[in-house]
This record gives sequence, C-alpha cells and structure tokens, in this order.
Amino acid sequence: DAGITQSPRYKITETGRQVTLMCHQTWSHSYMFWYRQDLGHGLRLIYYSAAADITDKGEVPDGYVVSRSKTENFPLTLESATRSQTSVYFCASNDRGGNQPQHFGDGTRLSIL
Amino acid sequence: DQQVKQNSPSLSVQEGRISILNCDYTNSMFDYFLWYKKYPAEGPTFLISISSIKDKNEDGRFTVFLNKSAKHLSLHIVPSQPGDSAVYFCAASEINNDMRFGAGTRLTVKP
Repeated sequence: DAGITQSPRYKITETGRQVTLMCHQTWSHSYMFWYRQDLGHGLRLIYYSAAADITDKGEVPDGYVVSRSKTENFPLTLESATRSQTSVYFCASNDRGGNQPQHFGDGTRLSIL
Repeated sequence: DQQVKQNSPSLSVQEGRISILNCDYTNSMFDYFLWYKKYPAEGPTFLISISSIKDKNEDGRFTVFLNKSAKHLSLHIVPSQPGDSAVYFCAASEINNDMRFGAGTRLTVKP
C-alpha cells in the first residue's frame, strides 16, 4: 500500500538510552519532516529533508539527529533520551516543501522514564 | 513564542448546526494558511487552505475565512456531522519557510 508508515507505534525507554524512530514513505516524495506534538504546543518541526543526503534543522532540533541516505526513509534518533522528549512524534512528506500541505504518518508515542 | 494561537481548546456543537473554529496569528509575513483534522491515534490530514490574496475558500461543507488586518482566520463547518468530531489544527507559513501550528481545538459534534 502506498503511504507513509512510522515504527514503532509505541515505545517506552529510559533516560540516557538511544532510540531511533523510523519513517518510510512509498510516494517518492522529495521532502520529509519530523514533528513532535505536545499538549499546548501543537506540532513543532524538529528536522526536515529536501532530498536524500540533505537535512536541515527546524524549530526544536536540540537532542535529535536525522539522516536520509534513501529518499523513502527518514529515521529520527534521540542519542541520549531525556524525559522532556516524551512526546508523540509525527513524520510527514510532500513534494513541494515545508510551507505546503503534507501527508502525515500515524505517529509514534514515545515515553521516556 | 507561539506565532499561531487557537485560544479555544474545545468546542461542542449539535449535529446539523454550524461549527466555527478560530485561529489568530502574530506574524504578518505569513501568507499561506491551512487547516488539518486529526482523529485519535492517527496523523493529521490536510483539510483546506487559503492564501493571503484571498479572504475566503470553500470546499463542500468547509469554508475558511481570512481577515488579514485582524490576523485572524476561521474554519466554518456547515452542517456539522458527528464524523467531524476531531482535533483541528490551524497552521501558517511564509514563502519558502516552515509551517507553524496552533495547539489545536477539539470539536465534538453531538447527535
């Protein structure tokens, strides 16, 4: 099925551990995005990528690392998780850039204890 | 610094009536505005948009109004249906820049 999928859907980990959230899209969209959703803040952009091997910071990039070796995949890594990174993470994609409508995955709920 | 604000966390309306969701922004450089709808355990889905050169855009039961002088936009849903119950996010962007989202409004449409 064409679409954008995130894995895992739920993850519990401990502070200080590394965790990677996966995002895969089958549309061959050039742009991919990572957002976090927190109560009272809506969605905030963490990182985005305009194409393979091109990534850039968003509004809240600290504590996160991304890579994009293939067009279809855009993993997000928390190198040393902190409790403040407990959130719901959404991946999105489109062909036109950050100021245009995006297709979102169903999210990963991450809890850091 | 929240540049896009949805001041009503929740809204409840009766089926068949009009739902009006509001959004205010502070950045006068925003020129493109969107509404997304989100069901529980799903990602947001794009609903409707409007550019700053217009003051109204319609798509079926959904109409977005933009008042640039007041830095305010609203989403009207007429008539409201129980399936419209969801969280609605307002978003805004400048040309070649990232999108900023509001905190969302939870709409409940009662049968």
